Amino acid sequence: SQTIHQWPATLVQPVGSPLSLECTVEGTSNPNLYWYRQAAGRGLQLLFYSVGIGQISSEVPQNLSASRPQDRQFILSSKKLLLSDSGFYLCAWSPGQDLTQYFGPGTRLLVL
Amino acid sequence: GENVEQHPSTLSVQEGDSAVIKCTYSDSASNYFPWYKQELGKGPQLIIDIRSNVGEKKDQRIAVTLNKTAKHFSLHITETQPEDSAVYFCAAWVPTSGTYKYIFGTGTRLKVLA
Repeated sequence: SQTIHQWPATLVQPVGSPLSLECTVEGTSNPNLYWYRQAAGRGLQLLFYSVGIGQISSEVPQNLSASRPQDRQFILSSKKLLLSDSGFYLCAWSPGQDLTQYFGPGTRLLVL
Repeated sequence: GENVEQHPSTLSVQEGDSAVIKCTYSDSASNYFPWYKQELGKGPQLIIDIRSNVGEKKDQRIAVTLNKTAKHFSLHITETQPEDSAVYFCAAWVPTSGTYKYIFGTGTRLKVLA
């Protein structure tokens, strides 16, 4: 069966520091991968999606970036965090052309 | 642009009663509608989904109905239990440049009172 992991589970970072969040999927190949952000008490905002290694599409202009160095690895990064970057970051995957998306456990980021 | 409206934002029901959450979407090309349940501090979990070629789908106490003409779909939970308490999100798939993009509703916080 397929599983999705996110690391770390929680993170507290000072303003201006860099960020690296990791997402990995097991048990499948060539998945579509997604990064979402969820502000407290709010819905899900799509940040990036990837249909293959090195292929990244950005949905919202911001100081975040994403990379997909391996088939089942998706990384969310920032060079300098802002207070507004605080939130719950969710990675999701879908099996290729399937429409169904499955979410990971999330990373809670607090920028102070 | 694409939009999904979800109502109500909060819903309290007595244990054993039914709960209904409604969503409307704007893009008539949307043809896939999942529902997710999110417990506190966890990622959303898919609970049921429906495609546009059917009007209703049931899975035990959970059902989803779709009205493509009116562009709305609803989640029905019968015989609610305390463990049903969570935030529920609807979503609509929007065809965007050949990839698979969801537009999510803003969520409904369901409280089942024992």
